[in-house]
Amino acid sequence: GQNIDQPTEMTATEGAIVQINCTYQTSGFNGLFWYQQHAGEAPTFLSYNVLDGLEEKGRFSSFLSRSKGYSYLLLKELQMKDSASYLCAVDNYGQNFVFGPGTRLSVLP
Amino acid sequence: GAGVSQSPRYKVTKRGQDVTLRCDPISSHATLYWYQQALGQGPEFLTYFNYEAQPDKSGLPSDRFSAERPEGSISTLTIQRTEQRDSAMYRCASSNLERTNEQFFGPGTRLTVL
Repeated sequence: GQNIDQPTEMTATEGAIVQINCTYQTSGFNGLFWYQQHAGEAPTFLSYNVLDGLEEKGRFSSFLSRSKGYSYLLLKELQMKDSASYLCAVDNYGQNFVFGPGTRLSVLP
Repeated sequence: GAGVSQSPRYKVTKRGQDVTLRCDPISSHATLYWYQQALGQGPEFLTYFNYEAQPDKSGLPSDRFSAERPEGSISTLTIQRTEQRDSAMYRCASSNLERTNEQFFGPGTRLTVL
């Protein structure tokens, strides 16, 4: 079966760093995506990893270990506007995408 | 168009009725996806199209669900004989053929089956 696990909720303080973990078990793997979704809005793309290692993009970085079925999203210099759900998604086979349940991040002042 | 659009934004229907949801993707995008998203959950894959071809419809929950994209642009998702459990947000997304490219999501259609 296909399974993606993420923590349900996380809380962090403005200006801090937070790491959101994602573990996956899928029958295939063609890449891992992170999306941000504010309440009541559509998901928006943050990052894509297909090879092991760290991809950095401004305040956001994403890491992948294919052998461990593991990824994390690192958010630095947290801002209030970063309060949102963060979705981990795997391109399972062809273009069949499996999304995780999402991690709801609350950034406190 | 400038972004992905979906209509209607909200649909309330009675159990047993058929509904058709529409998605208008970004005009240059070959690939179009349909997802079902329950409140507080991630999107669940239903099906996708490359132009008018539908290579994978494994996520459609039953034969009451069908999707079309006859001219490779606008797509419709039809649910026949709706049931209360079909109530959810239905989201459409589009992307270029390259899988490394991001998916652009539409605003969704909130379906409520009474």
